[in-house]
Amino acid sequence: QLHLQESGPGLVQASETLSLTCVVSGGSVRAAGYYWAWIRQSPGKGLEWIGAVYYEGATYYNPSLRSRATIFLDKSKHQFSLNLTSVTAADTAMYFCVRDVLVPGALQTPWFDPWGPGSLVIVSS
Amino acid sequence: QSVLTQPPSASGTPGQRVTISCSGNSSNIGRNSVYWYQEVPGTAPKLLIFGSTQRPSGVPDRFSGSKSGTSASLAIRGLRSDDEADYYCASWDYTVSGHVVFGGGTRLTVL
Repeated sequence: QLHLQESGPGLVQASETLSLTCVVSGGSVRAAGYYWAWIRQSPGKGLEWIGAVYYEGATYYNPSLRSRATIFLDKSKHQFSLNLTSVTAADTAMYFCVRDVLVPGALQTPWFDPWGPGSLVIVSS
Repeated sequence: QSVLTQPPSASGTPGQRVTISCSGNSSNIGRNSVYWYQEVPGTAPKLLIFGSTQRPSGVPDRFSGSKSGTSASLAIRGLRSDDEADYYCASWDYTVSGHVVFGGGTRLTVL
């Protein structure tokens, strides 16, 4: 059974870089056919896709976050990470890491399963 | 402002059938499958429907998905109190190099 677990600081200062890691257990980030993605949810708001990385290293990002977000794999440690630079209060959110199933013939699909429990990040000024 | 449009709320009584709509355009739902997620407050979202109409194992057949043109729907029959949750639709959008888009979510209340 695949499990994902987010980790990182719960508090980040405004203008600094938010860094989160997702440890994958019960499976491999090297497996073909899967992206590894980050999704966030601001308090009381809906879901927002941040971006995803494929096992070969290809990435896709939300256009609204592309200039600040980087997602990358660490295959040796079975984990993937998110860096979000120049954070503001608007980046305060619960951050989820997810496995994204790639459907043959599609660039990518929002087939997110499973999800990590989430990591709350508060940006303070 | 979400790219996919959902009603903010829906409600029903136990045993009833409710539907939640999700409206997009030709760059997303019109060209791609729709995925539905259930988020019970305090827990991570859970996949309910993939490929517009398919249920993962473990999801009751009370939940069903459909898609027509640039719109999709999630139907829940035999409504139960533990169906009370937020429901989100999602699809791939081909604009701006391609990205995932979500609906704004629908809060389902079981009266």
